[in-house]
This record gives sequence, structure tokens and C-alpha cells, in this order.
Amino acid sequence: GESVGLHLPTLSVQEGDNSIINCAYSNSASDYFIWYKQESGKGPQFIIDIRSNMDKRQGQRVTVLLNKTVKHLSLQIAATQPGDSAVYFCAEYGPTQGGSEKLVFGKGTKLTVNP
Amino acid sequence: DAGVTQSPTHLIKTRGQQVTLRCSPKSGHDTVSWYQQALGQGPQFIFQYYEEEERQRGNFPDRFSGHQFPNYSSELNVNALLLGDSALYLCASSLVNNPVPNEQFFGPGTRLTVL
Repeated sequence: GESVGLHLPTLSVQEGDNSIINCAYSNSASDYFIWYKQESGKGPQFIIDIRSNMDKRQGQRVTVLLNKTVKHLSLQIAATQPGDSAVYFCAEYGPTQGGSEKLVFGKGTKLTVNP
Repeated sequence: DAGVTQSPTHLIKTRGQQVTLRCSPKSGHDTVSWYQQALGQGPQFIFQYYEEEERQRGNFPDRFSGHQFPNYSSELNVNALLLGDSALYLCASSLVNNPVPNEQFFGPGTRLTVL
């Protein structure tokens, strides 16, 4: 079935610390695994993705790790800033029987950065 | 270059009424997907439109219908509203020939409240 979930609903960190947000997924057939940031009153904003044939990908201050053995995805944010405060969703992206692509989202983790 | 726009931003309806939400995709995009995001949850896929046809549908009842116009804009219609339809409705646009997550963009959403 389709199921993408998160281990922790909330995470509170101090400014400057590193943050790690985790996610468990169930559909190994997905092509991509993605992290989105959603601020209050806004739509999800793409942060970073990783293809299913990779295990690590780095962006600017963010790193995504994919462990296919245990179906686990994580987002690491370095030197967390107050502007990083938001809800973070993991999502799977892949083809469907109809030939189109679909995103399946998890429930989200609310990150609060304390100054 | 305008991104994805949605209207209205907020809407209040009563049970049994019908509602129409609108979405204009990012310039150059030809595919529109609709998502429902209940409070505290991740977005759930409703359906996707391309070439004015519904390509794929999520697990939503027939009360949810849509339309895509020749200019690629789209409408989401919900009939016989239920209290449980209260949610943020998100539109995302993409290009059918470039179906990668980092090229799918979300609008700010329409907040629907059903009383």
C-alpha cells in the first residue's frame, strides 16, 4: 500500500545546531524521495530529492540520506536558522499504472528553531 | 514569471453546498495536480489533469471533480460539501515532458472551511 510516515511529529532545536528529521516509507518502487518545507499559509516548497539508486545527496546546508534496506529517509539541516522553522514533509514520487506520476506525502514534522 | 496561483485564498461554505476552486499553473507548465491537506496532515493526491483530461485519480469520491481549460488553468469542484471537506486545497503544476519532483511547483492553496 501507500504509506509514508514520520517518526517524530515535533522537533525543537537551538539556532546553530544541526537538525535531523526522519521518515519511514513503505513503497520501494518509488523513483524519487523528496523533502518539502511548508511554512504557515504557504504551499509545500521543494527542498531536495534523492533518486532511489542513490544513498546520499547534499544541497546547500541540507543533506538527504536514503537507507533502502530499512526503508528510511532522513533530512539533515546544518547550522539551523530561525528561518528554517516550518513543517517538513517527506514524500515519494513515482509512476502509476496510468502512466502519470504521483506524490505520496507523510504527515510532517514541525521544526522549531529557538534563538 | 508568475508561479502557481490559486483563488480564492479563503472560502467558507455550509454543508451541502458546492464549491469551485481555481488554479493557474506556472508559465510554461501543462499539467495540474490537486491535493487536499487536512489540518496537521500531509497533502493527499486528488487528481491530475493534462490535455484537459483527468489522467489519474486518488482515493476521493465522485463529489470531487475537475476541469482543465485550453490555457492549462484548472478548476476543482466539490459537490454536497461535508464538514470533513474542510482543508487546504493545493494545486501543483508541472510539465508532462519533465516529470521530476524539483520541477513541480505548488501554489499557496485555498483554505476551505465547511460549517
